[in-house]
Amino acid sequence: DTGVSQNPRHKITKRGQNVTFRCDPISEHNRLYWYRQTLGQGPEFLTYFQNEAQLEKSRLLSDRFSAERPKGSFSTLEIQRTEQGDSAMYLCASSAQGPLPQETQYFGPGTRLLVL
Amino acid sequence: KQEVTQIPAALSVPEGENLVLNCSFTDSAIYNLQWFRQDPGKGLTSLLLIQSSQREQTSGRLNASLDKSSGRSTLYIAASQPGDSATYLCGVWEQGAQKLVFGQGTRLTINP
Repeated sequence: DTGVSQNPRHKITKRGQNVTFRCDPISEHNRLYWYRQTLGQGPEFLTYFQNEAQLEKSRLLSDRFSAERPKGSFSTLEIQRTEQGDSAMYLCASSAQGPLPQETQYFGPGTRLLVL
Repeated sequence: KQEVTQIPAALSVPEGENLVLNCSFTDSAIYNLQWFRQDPGKGLTSLLLIQSSQREQTSGRLNASLDKSSGRSTLYIAASQPGDSATYLCGVWEQGAQKLVFGQGTRLTINP
């Protein structure tokens, strides 16, 4: 495993349906992040895990969104009752906990969600 | 609240030219700043990371500088090539936070 992987790469769903995305970080990385990116904008932070603990959540993460990282390995991001405004690229990143304050983040290819 | 701005939003130059991309941020209390490249429909690829104590970092034809006091960073690309065409994003890691705050990116096109 040489990088962060995300599945699925694309998802089309109807408004009101639930969707779940998966992220597999680089194996030795204990930090995992979710970001959302809309067209023409930079990524916006959603949530952060250190091992299995979810330590920070953005106000962007409404109660329809939930993220988990069981056993500190892969992570899932679920969106319930999807809305058209949820259409975006969902990016996952991971980093190692090293000696420097914050280490380089490595991003996955993203999951592009389209809500019809 | 940290705000990151990248100017210009888009840039088109002929192959072979040297160019500079700009990133500014409002809060100078940062751990580091990262420059990324994003190809259409793809994820982000890290190019350079500058720690807050550093002034610049170099990788091949890329050179990134950081002036924390003025809230500015530049990415210099030497001898541009068509393969450099992509969107370039800067992300700032502010102290006390556990996230990167991104600018909106500069879409770069290198014309053969």
